[in-house]
Amino acid sequence: DGGITQSPKYLFRKEGQNVTLSCEQNLNHDAMYWYRQDPGQGLRLIYYSQIVNDFQKGDIAEGYSVSREKKESFPLTVTSAQKNPTAFYLCASSILGSPSVRGELFFGEGSRLTVL
Amino acid sequence: AQSVTQLGSHVSVSEGALVLLRCNYSSSVPPYLFWYVQYPNQGLQLLLKYTSAATLVKGINGFEAEFKKSETSFHLTKPSAHMSDAAEYFCAVRFSGGGADGLTFGKGTHLIIQP
Repeated sequence: DGGITQSPKYLFRKEGQNVTLSCEQNLNHDAMYWYRQDPGQGLRLIYYSQIVNDFQKGDIAEGYSVSREKKESFPLTVTSAQKNPTAFYLCASSILGSPSVRGELFFGEGSRLTVL
Repeated sequence: AQSVTQLGSHVSVSEGALVLLRCNYSSSVPPYLFWYVQYPNQGLQLLLKYTSAATLVKGINGFEAEFKKSETSFHLTKPSAHMSDAAEYFCAVRFSGGGADGLTFGKGTHLIIQP
C-alpha cells in the first residue's frame, strides 16, 4: 500500500542533542512538507520541498534543517538551536498542480519528540 | 494578515445530535478550503475540500461543509453524531497568491461525543 512512513514514532533526547526524524513516501509525490503540532496551536509549517535538492523555509524554520536528496525522502533534523523542540512532528506530501490539488495533503502517523 | 479561525477549542454534543464546527477565514479573495480530521496520536486525514465548483461540499463519514463568501465561513456539519466521530478537526486554507507553499491551519476543535 502506498503511503508515508515516519520513524521513529516516539523519541526521547537530552537537551542539546541533534535529532533526525525520518520521512519516506512511496506515493510518487513531488511535494513534501514538515509540520509541527503543539496542543491548542494547530499545525505550523517548518519546511517544504517541491523538487529534489531544493527546499524552502516555512513559518517556523529556525532551529531545524532538512534535506531532499531523493524524491521519496525528506528527513528533518531538530538541532540544539531549537529552543523548545518537544512537540508532535508531522510529515506530509502532495502532488503538484492546481492549488486545490496541492491542498490535498497525505500525512504520516507522526513522530513525538520529547526533550528531557 | 491572512488567517484561519476555528471558534471553540472543544465542542461537546450528544450521540445522534447535530454536529457544527465553525471555521472563518480572513481574505479578500476566496481561497481553497479544507477540513481534516485527526484521531489520537495519528496523522491527519482529508474530510472534504472546497474548490469553487459547488458551495455545498460533501465529504467522508457523512460530513459536509458550506462555503459562504459573504460570511467568509466554511462550517463543518453532520446531521447525527456517532461515537466514532470523536476526534480533532482542523480547518485549513490555501490562500491564493500566498507566499510559502502548504496550508494554513486553524488551531483545531476537539469534538467530544456524549453517550
